[in-house]
Amino acid sequence: KAGVTQTPRYLIKTRGQQVTLSCSPISGHRSVSWYQQTPGQGLQFLFEYFSETQRNKGNFPGRFSGRQFSNSRSEMNVSTLELGDSALYLCASSTGTDSYEQYFGPGTRLTVT
Amino acid sequence: DQQVKQNSPSLSVQEGRISILNCDYTNSMFDYFLWYKKYPAEGPTFLISISSIKDKNEDGRFTVFLNKSAKHLSLHIVPSQPGDSAVYFCAASHGGSQGNLIFGKGTKLSVKP
Repeated sequence: KAGVTQTPRYLIKTRGQQVTLSCSPISGHRSVSWYQQTPGQGLQFLFEYFSETQRNKGNFPGRFSGRQFSNSRSEMNVSTLELGDSALYLCASSTGTDSYEQYFGPGTRLTVT
Repeated sequence: DQQVKQNSPSLSVQEGRISILNCDYTNSMFDYFLWYKKYPAEGPTFLISISSIKDKNEDGRFTVFLNKSAKHLSLHIVPSQPGDSAVYFCAASHGGSQGNLIFGKGTKLSVKP
């Protein structure tokens, strides 16, 4: 079974721009969660999508948004980028129903200059 | 307010000996706990988990112990191998927020040959 894939793996953007990251979950998984990892804050939960609906949301500003498609693939969008948005963005998939285990992709490294 | 704490940023052990990684939590609503291993430039890899109705779970060289009264869990690796060198994250969740894992800041384990 193929694992979680994320594209692109690396991105460099300028302050004020917007960015869209993509995540393809493990086949059969209906839940996708997004996390931000920074050296200072560690891994922080952004939001979770299940069956195309946002089911949980972390404490991030509205500039961070996401969506999920009918094939469970998910995208995350960050608008009006700030220097502090530089981070590793990880997505994780799970069944979303009978299991808490989440399986992570390799991440997208975003650098904002 | 850190709900999941890993108080040791690093740990060094000799190959063949036991590695013990510790984790404390504050939220009594947590009912499921997980350990992840992370290598540089990769996403976290799921290792082992435990439900709050149990106090021990074993999988090969890895054992997780849960002490609910102390709000403490630990991961034992026996015997430790150089390939175990990585950052280990403790994570917790509760039924009302299954897709949201709360992570500790990680412990860097170095296993010396």
